[in-house]
Amino acid sequence: GAGVSQTPSNKVTEKGKYVELRCDPISGHTALYWYRQSLGQGPEFLIYFQGTGAADDSGLPNDRFFAVRPEGSVSTLKIQRTERGDSAVYLCASSLTVAGANTGELFFGEGSRLTVL
Amino acid sequence: AQSVAQPEDQVNVAEGNPLTVKCTYSVSGNPYLFWYVQYPNRGLQFLLKYITGDNLVKGSYGFEAEFNKSQTSFHLKKPSALVSDSALYFCAVRPFSGSARQLTFGSGTQLTVLP
Repeated sequence: GAGVSQTPSNKVTEKGKYVELRCDPISGHTALYWYRQSLGQGPEFLIYFQGTGAADDSGLPNDRFFAVRPEGSVSTLKIQRTERGDSAVYLCASSLTVAGANTGELFFGEGSRLTVL
Repeated sequence: AQSVAQPEDQVNVAEGNPLTVKCTYSVSGNPYLFWYVQYPNRGLQFLLKYITGDNLVKGSYGFEAEFNKSQTSFHLKKPSALVSDSALYFCAVRPFSGSARQLTFGSGTQLTVLP
């Protein structure tokens, strides 16, 4: 597709379970971002990939959160031992890098809504 | 660290009237500034950005924003509001230079255009 694709769109899980959220960025976009958006809040930065490597993971709240992008395209956000406070919409975005410079604007998917019971 | 403030949680305006959604920012050095719009159950959509140059930036759907360096502001404006402009608007910032590439977002402003 032409846009950023995220699956699943909705995920309901029980406290303590493991969850994976997937992001398929726009073709050719080398930069990929994960954000988390809680109700009534703006998106909160989690992690940023440039290619396969995590260029900045300073936003991950704790070691239960981990993300990978093994081939520089699709990314998976992994949450271990989920807690009720993890309930939020997880947004993925990608952006274009031209001549080594990031053009700035992010293109967002529609998000994965995670509910932890 | 960079930050964005959107002082108004809610802005109401009558259709056909001009609208302004306020944003102020804090960043080291010069900023990249952005506005995004979010419709219900949809992802964020890019509206416009400021990098350098003309302080008045024009974007999608007739929106524009004015960069004011002395006031560290980047207010979103539209001369004549439409009911279909009703949505949640986010301002965002990142440093123009340096290693940080992520955008920092404000808490959002809900715009309601009344018919």
